Amino acid sequence: EAGVTQFPSHSVIEKGQTVTLRCDPISGHDNLYWYRRVMGKEIKFLLHFVKESKQDESGMPNNRFLAERTGGTYSTLKVQPAELEDSGVYFCASSQADGGTEQYFGPGTRLTVT
Amino acid sequence: DAKTTQPPSMDCAEGRAANLPCNHSTISGNEYVYWYRQIHSQGPQYIIHGLKNNETNEMASLIITEDRKSSTLILPHATLRDTAVYYCIVIYYNQGGKLIFGQGTELSVKP
Repeated sequence: EAGVTQFPSHSVIEKGQTVTLRCDPISGHDNLYWYRRVMGKEIKFLLHFVKESKQDESGMPNNRFLAERTGGTYSTLKVQPAELEDSGVYFCASSQADGGTEQYFGPGTRLTVT
Repeated sequence: DAKTTQPPSMDCAEGRAANLPCNHSTISGNEYVYWYRQIHSQGPQYIIHGLKNNETNEMASLIITEDRKSSTLILPHATLRDTAVYYCIVIYYNQGGKLIFGQGTELSVKP
């Protein structure tokens, strides 16, 4: 069974540019989460999808971040325009609908904004 | 904010048991204790979880005190590949909710 995959693994962009991160969850997992770790800080929750619906987006830092999950399969996280403080590692995780909170994480996307 | 307290770092000799403590004195009756770890440059990995009984799986054992205010994750025979940051997280079960990561314990397994 394939795990959670994320693309790209690394991205370097300039301040003011746009970047889109993609996450493919484990097949059949209705729950999809985005987290991020910025330099020297703890891993922080961003948002949670149940199928295509946003269940909890309380962790989204501001309106420069837009997450979508069309069709309830893969998800994208767009940052527009990127700022220096957006640099960090963005993780995606998925879990089954009725499987408690055992979340399976992807390898992350390392975003560097220069 | 995280509802748990863990020591920032620990060392363990290869082949010996690693015992990682966690305090969660404000845990409520419906909250489970989950353990995750993050090996360098990888995404966090689920290890084990429990409510009030001790639990064991192929990776580790979880011992929860009777008053549920603390727990210990035990890696019975630590290897170099177990070097990672270990996170203790309390969360309501089956609500599909967000994980709140604290700073965790950085475990170094030494030869």
